[in-house]
Amino acid sequence: RKEVEQDPGPFNVPEGATVAFNCTYSNSASQSFFWYRQDCRKEPKLLMSVYSSGNEDGRFTAQLNRASQYISLLIRDSKLSDSATYLCVVLTGRRALTFGSGTRLQVQP
Amino acid sequence: GAGVSQSPRYKVAKRGQDVALRCDPISGHVSLFWYQQALGQGPEFLTYFQNEAQLDKSGLPSDRFFAERPEGSVSTLKIQRTQQEDSAVYLCASSWHGDRDNEKLFFGSGTQLSVL
Repeated sequence: RKEVEQDPGPFNVPEGATVAFNCTYSNSASQSFFWYRQDCRKEPKLLMSVYSSGNEDGRFTAQLNRASQYISLLIRDSKLSDSATYLCVVLTGRRALTFGSGTRLQVQP
Repeated sequence: GAGVSQSPRYKVAKRGQDVALRCDPISGHVSLFWYQQALGQGPEFLTYFQNEAQLDKSGLPSDRFFAERPEGSVSTLKIQRTQQEDSAVYLCASSWHGDRDNEKLFFGSGTQLSVL
């Protein structure tokens, strides 16, 4: 079983739609959580950190459920420019970041 | 430079050939990571340096893979006797601190390695 699991998608949504991605992690000792965004043939870039209390950055909302070991990302009012792969990422102990395989989003006009 | 620089951008190697991939991190960044990303997958951890010390190499898939950062700045990932399964994008990332502020990674554009 992979340490971080995501639905690979693709999620095809119209502009203006709300879309949610989910991610589960297997190590209960994981202490920090993030969403990274990766455009086609580009490097990953940090989108936002994820906190237990939930956090919002504009149209993006991230949630963490430690009991269920579950992380989510909600995107409201989708834009064409949101089309990318969204990587769920966890930090466990003193190890390097562990990335999920990513969920691909395609926003259509 | 302003960001993490990797070279070459593309590398085509014949099976059995040795390759060397270079990473020039952001000036002053203490931590440096190498990741391997296969097509359609997320980045997989290979190895981690704090300054010149290689603190974790648990992700290196075989003893054909070797990484170094002798002066705590530029790093080189070397792959000996390349195999087709080594074909992937090799990403280098760096971050400021050695005190585990490693979540704020800055990635280079990667080296796409194709082994024929």
